[in-house]
Amino acid sequence: EVQLVESGGGLIQPGGSLRLSCAASGFTVSSNYMSWVRQAPGKGLEWVSVIYSGGSTYYADSVKGRFTISRDNSKNTLYLQMNSLRAEDTAVYYCARDRMSSGWYFDYWGQGTLVTVSS
Amino acid sequence: EIVLTQSPATLSLSPGERATLSCRASQSVSSYLAWYQQKPGQAPRLLIYDASNRATGIPARFSGSGSGTDFTLTISSLEPEDFAVYYCQQRSNWPLLYTFGQGTKLEIK
Repeated sequence: EVQLVESGGGLIQPGGSLRLSCAASGFTVSSNYMSWVRQAPGKGLEWVSVIYSGGSTYYADSVKGRFTISRDNSKNTLYLQMNSLRAEDTAVYYCARDRMSSGWYFDYWGQGTLVTVSS
Repeated sequence: EIVLTQSPATLSLSPGERATLSCRASQSVSSYLAWYQQKPGQAPRLLIYDASNRATGIPARFSGSGSGTDFTLTISSLEPEDFAVYYCQQRSNWPLLYTFGQGTKLEIK
């Protein structure tokens, strides 16, 4: 059974750093494309970043230069290092597995972890 | 950047009725569009991919159609558990960007 479990969220001051983790089971993270998607309170979904199976990474303009996506193959875990956090980064952060059919979609999602950026 | 616009923002219907949700893309996305369902406090769930293919385990009352810029998610006969927020999504390759519509809230009338 495929499972994704996020952790690492919490309350952080503006300008601070936080690292989110997403532990996967039932499949191999390094063999898949994996994304982070966030949702601000009461708002819609916003894609944040993707890491390809080959290791290439891509980011939304809103987080480029501040966030870094990575993975630990030995732990089958995906990460999101978030630096220089701003109030507008406050959101539930989901990790999701990308799947390709003709297009690219998210077929499995974690339960999410809440990041609150506030002084 | 491709923008997805969903309508209506809110749809009020009763169980047993037919629901029709729309997603319009600012430029053609061919058939590369997905639909997700999200209930309060839960992660989104993939319903439809490639515009018209149901994801694993999705009931047959959910169907998708469309291509190019206009897409529709239809729920043929609403069940109580179908009241939720629905999002459409696409991915563009240049620049690489996944985008979501702003969502349609399907509420009980």
